Amino acid sequence: KQEVTQIPAALSVPEGENLVLNCSFTDSAIYNLQWFRQDPGKGLTSLLLIQSSQREQTSGRLNASLDKSSGRSTLYIAASQPGDSATYLCAYQTGANNLFFGTGTRLTVIP
Amino acid sequence: EAGVAQSPRYKIIEKRQSVAFWCNPISGHATLYWYQQILGQGPKLLIQFQNNGVVDDSQLPKDRFSAERLKGVDSTLKIQPAKLEDSAVYLCASSLADGSETQYFGPGTRLLVL
Repeated sequence: KQEVTQIPAALSVPEGENLVLNCSFTDSAIYNLQWFRQDPGKGLTSLLLIQSSQREQTSGRLNASLDKSSGRSTLYIAASQPGDSATYLCAYQTGANNLFFGTGTRLTVIP
Repeated sequence: EAGVAQSPRYKIIEKRQSVAFWCNPISGHATLYWYQQILGQGPKLLIQFQNNGVVDDSQLPKDRFSAERLKGVDSTLKIQPAKLEDSAVYLCASSLADGSETQYFGPGTRLLVL
């Protein structure tokens, strides 16, 4: 059974702090892992995609790592801003192309 | 480049009624997905199309849900009859080739069944 767990479920931080979001998964045969951002009333936006052969990906203030052997991924956000407030979802893909999502972490960055 | 379009954005119906959602993927995207996202959960795949053929519909409750993608472009998802537990956001996504690349999501249709 595919399970994706995200901890914490919710997080509030003051502006400027660095933070880490965690994602763990049970399926060892992943093709890639992605981090998405979801704003209220809007769809999902892909932030970073890490292929199973890679260890990390970076985009601006975001850095995502993948440890396939331990079934874990982290999303690091540097110097958080109020505009980063959203729900962050991790999801992995198997060879069947289906995306299996976690339940998300709701982030609030306080000005 | 235009994104994935969905309509309606919101729908309120009573249980046992029927409802249909429409999705227009990004031009040239061969793969189209419908996801169901219940409040507080992550999206769950309902059905995946490659052009106008079904690739995966193993999680689609076929006794009440149906979907089609005529001509391999637009798609409609129908629920008939709706149940209270169908209240959710229905997300459509598309990708270029076989789904191993980035999926682009539409804004979703929020359904409330009373």
